[in-house]
Amino acid sequence: GEDVEQSLFLSVREGDSSVINCTYTDSSSTYLYWYKQEPGAGLQLLTYIFSNMDMKQDQRLTVLLNKKDKHLSLRIADTQTGDSAIYFCAGVYGGATNKLIFGTGTLLAVQP
Amino acid sequence: GAVVSQHPSRVICKSGTSVKIECRSLDFQATTMFWYRQFPKQSLMLMATSNEGSKATYEQGVEKDKFLINHASLTLSTLTVTSAHPEDSSFYICSASGATTGELFFGEGSRLTVL
Repeated sequence: GEDVEQSLFLSVREGDSSVINCTYTDSSSTYLYWYKQEPGAGLQLLTYIFSNMDMKQDQRLTVLLNKKDKHLSLRIADTQTGDSAIYFCAGVYGGATNKLIFGTGTLLAVQP
Repeated sequence: GAVVSQHPSRVICKSGTSVKIECRSLDFQATTMFWYRQFPKQSLMLMATSNEGSKATYEQGVEKDKFLINHASLTLSTLTVTSAHPEDSSFYICSASGATTGELFFGEGSRLTVL
C-alpha cells in the first residue's frame, strides 16, 4: 500500500529558507502535491509536480522530485511568519479515482 | 477558483446523538467527493469516496453504518456521524473533484466535539 512519510517538525528563522521533505513508497502517482494547513483551517493547495519532472519553481516555492530515491521536497525561500503552518505532501493512488493520500505532515515554525 | 463549502464549521453534541455535516461545491459539479478525518496533530485519513448517485466506498476500518454518506446531487455530499461518541471527536474535511480537470478542492473543515 501507500506509505508517505514526513519529518514532524521544522523550525527556521524569518528570512531563511525552509526545506520540507517527504518520502513515499508507491511511485504510481502521476502528480505529487504540497498542501498547507493553517491552525483550525482546511487545506490549501500550494503547488504540485508532474511525476516526470525533476523540479518545479513557483515564486518562493521550489519542488524537487527524486524518483529514484522516492523523495520529494518543498523549499520555501525567504520564509515569513505567515508561512507557519503544517505542510502535507500527497499523492494520488487508487487507479482511476482521485484518492489523495497524505503524508504525516510537517509543522513549520517560523521564528521572528 | 473553485470553492468547496462545509457546514457547520464547528459542532458540539451530546454522546449518542447524530450529527450531519454538509459539503457543497459552489461553482462546479463534483462527480466525486472525499471525506477525510484528522485527529489532533495527525495527518488526514481518507474515510470514504462518495460518488454522485451511487453508494460510497469506505476505506478499511471505517464503519459504514457509523458514518453515513449521501451524495444525492452533483453539488452536495453529506456525512452523518450516527450515535456519536467522544472518540468520534475530530476534524472532518471534505474534498470535491471536478469532472473536467480532476483537480481536488478542499472544504474548510468541520470540527466535531462530542461530549
